[in-house]
Amino acid sequence: GAVVSQHPSWVICKSGTSVKIECRSLDFQATTMFWYRQFPKQSLMLMATSNEGSKATYEQGVEKDKFLINHASLTLSTLTVTSAHPEDSSFYICSARWTGGASSGANVLTFGAGSRLTVL
Amino acid sequence: KQEVTQIPAALSVPEGENLVLNCSFTDSAIYNLQWFRQDPGKGLTSLLLIQSSQREQTSGRLNASLDKSSGRSTLYIAASQPGDSATYLCAGTSGTYKYIFGTGTRLKVLA
Repeated sequence: GAVVSQHPSWVICKSGTSVKIECRSLDFQATTMFWYRQFPKQSLMLMATSNEGSKATYEQGVEKDKFLINHASLTLSTLTVTSAHPEDSSFYICSARWTGGASSGANVLTFGAGSRLTVL
Repeated sequence: KQEVTQIPAALSVPEGENLVLNCSFTDSAIYNLQWFRQDPGKGLTSLLLIQSSQREQTSGRLNASLDKSSGRSTLYIAASQPGDSATYLCAGTSGTYKYIFGTGTRLKVLA
């Protein structure tokens, strides 16, 4: 249980275009999802917290208008990189908080496989 | 601001050795802590979770412990194998489920 699916796993786009990445919780409901970015050989940096039915909370230094997050249902959050530029090329990973009972792994964050974005 | 440091940054060992990876937090008020494995170009695989009421977790050859008084965690890998080669990341939360990740330890186990 507690599987998170990310799509697409990789995408190449031209500078100036927008790219949407989906994060789905397949077998559980996730009121909260998190989006991370990872540059080569660096650790994961939290970009924003996605809350179902409300606005996302962005970390300091992350442009809200650049990285649009929509958490329209309990199983889906999307990250749209608008007007992408080469410096946006990165590995984007989402995670979802599993709110099951203590015996079933509460407070566990399950991660998607990541989406590698390359902007030419 | 919470910062997480992992030592060593990289490690190369012969197969069969027992290993200890270290993780330290600037703010020792850790609620939950997870250790992850990341293979090159891949996402994260959760290895062990230490919840707020726990101090240690074991899974197979892996053992993780958390000393909340010092804000330090260790991941012990017994009888290392080439398949253990990966980057190991620790991440902790202070109660908001917003995990802060460590800098990672790149492990290479030589056959």
